[in-house]
Amino acid sequence: ETGVTQSPTHLIKTRGQQVTLRCSSQSGHNTVSWYQQALGQGPQFIFQYYREEENGRGNFPPRFSGLQFPNYSSELNVNALELDDSALYLCASSAGLAGHTDTQYFGPGTRLTVL
Amino acid sequence: AQSVTQLGSHVSVSEGALVLLRCNYSSSVPPYLFWYVQYPNQGLQLLLKYTSAATLVKGINGFEAEFKKSETSFHLTKPSAHMSDAAEYFCAVSSNNNDMRFGAGTRLTVKP
Repeated sequence: ETGVTQSPTHLIKTRGQQVTLRCSSQSGHNTVSWYQQALGQGPQFIFQYYREEENGRGNFPPRFSGLQFPNYSSELNVNALELDDSALYLCASSAGLAGHTDTQYFGPGTRLTVL
Repeated sequence: AQSVTQLGSHVSVSEGALVLLRCNYSSSVPPYLFWYVQYPNQGLQLLLKYTSAATLVKGINGFEAEFKKSETSFHLTKPSAHMSDAAEYFCAVSSNNNDMRFGAGTRLTVKP
């Protein structure tokens, strides 16, 4: 059974650019959640996708957007990058639609640095 | 709104000593509570979760946590620390409103 994978592992961008981060969910999982973890802090919920539809969103501006594909993999897109967007971005997958109460399996994350 | 407070950003114990990591939550509805561990340069791994069944929850690696509604607490314990337990630990709270809140984390150091 393949776990959650994320790509790339590291990324450096400049302010104002756009970035796309990718996540492959664990086999059999149809729900994907994205989190932002700034240095020294806990993860913050960005949004969740269930069967290709957004199913909940945290307190992030619209320039954070996402997609989920028919194979349940997912993308996180961030437009107009700001310095404060520098963080570890975590993807987590789970097997059902129950908000966040199902057990989530996390990927290793993508470290984004905005200069 | 729900929230989590982890008391103590750093905890240091000796190998073989009791581990106690504190977590207090706030939630307007019956909460689901989680403890996750994060090793350097890795994602989060679920240690255990509380979903309104037994108040004492046993997890992996010898960890357990007790849900105390009267104290709004969900502290994580392990009777005997091992060097491999050194990591960052996060408490989190969720409900069925499609939101999940994490605490700021507690870094556990285990001294030989």
